[in-house]
Amino acid sequence: NAGVTQTPKFRILKIGQSMTLQCTQDMNHNYMYWYRQDPGMGLKLIYYSVGAGITDKGEVPNGYNVSRSTTEDFPLRLELAAPSQTSVYFCASTPLGGRGAFFGQGTRLTVV
Amino acid sequence: QQQVKQSPQSLIVQKGGISIINCAYENTAFDYFPWYQQFPGKGPALLIAIRPDVSEKKEGRFTISFNKSAKQFSLHIMDSQPGDSATYFCAASSTGNQFYFGTGTSLTVIP
Repeated sequence: NAGVTQTPKFRILKIGQSMTLQCTQDMNHNYMYWYRQDPGMGLKLIYYSVGAGITDKGEVPNGYNVSRSTTEDFPLRLELAAPSQTSVYFCASTPLGGRGAFFGQGTRLTVV
Repeated sequence: QQQVKQSPQSLIVQKGGISIINCAYENTAFDYFPWYQQFPGKGPALLIAIRPDVSEKKEGRFTISFNKSAKQFSLHIMDSQPGDSATYFCAASSTGNQFYFGTGTSLTVIP
């Protein structure tokens, strides 16, 4: 039972570089989310998706983009990395009608 | 603004004691209130959750108390153990499944 899988686990980017954080879930969940976690700030929602082909902005979407071409995959794209994007990123999913979210192990990103 | 306010930021409890973490919210459309437990280097994991039609929910040593009129809810950990040392997040959501998280409480249980 893989659940929600995120890759990579760690990454160091230089300012201005781009990268994609990968997220895959094998539970056939409709809803998927991207959060960032900063010390003392809890988890902030970046983007979410209610199904393939449908995405919407969360609380802190600036500097990020997402796509949802399949039920399983929900990648997060950083186009021009900035130091303010240094954070731990979590992908999560919930089933339709369900409320408990399943989280991945996180990606620790440092922008220097 | 912070949709869900959580306190305290950190908590130290003796083994066997009761740990209490509090959360408050403003949006009356919220209808699901989960608590998550997070160990270092791991993602948050669902611990226990409550809906506003009940005032209390208990699962083992973990209890949620919910006060709808005050728009507050709390997590009580009875007989706290060193293995309970973790960061705890409260959250709230409404139909549409957008979750709003509190800022987290770092719990340390001293043997």
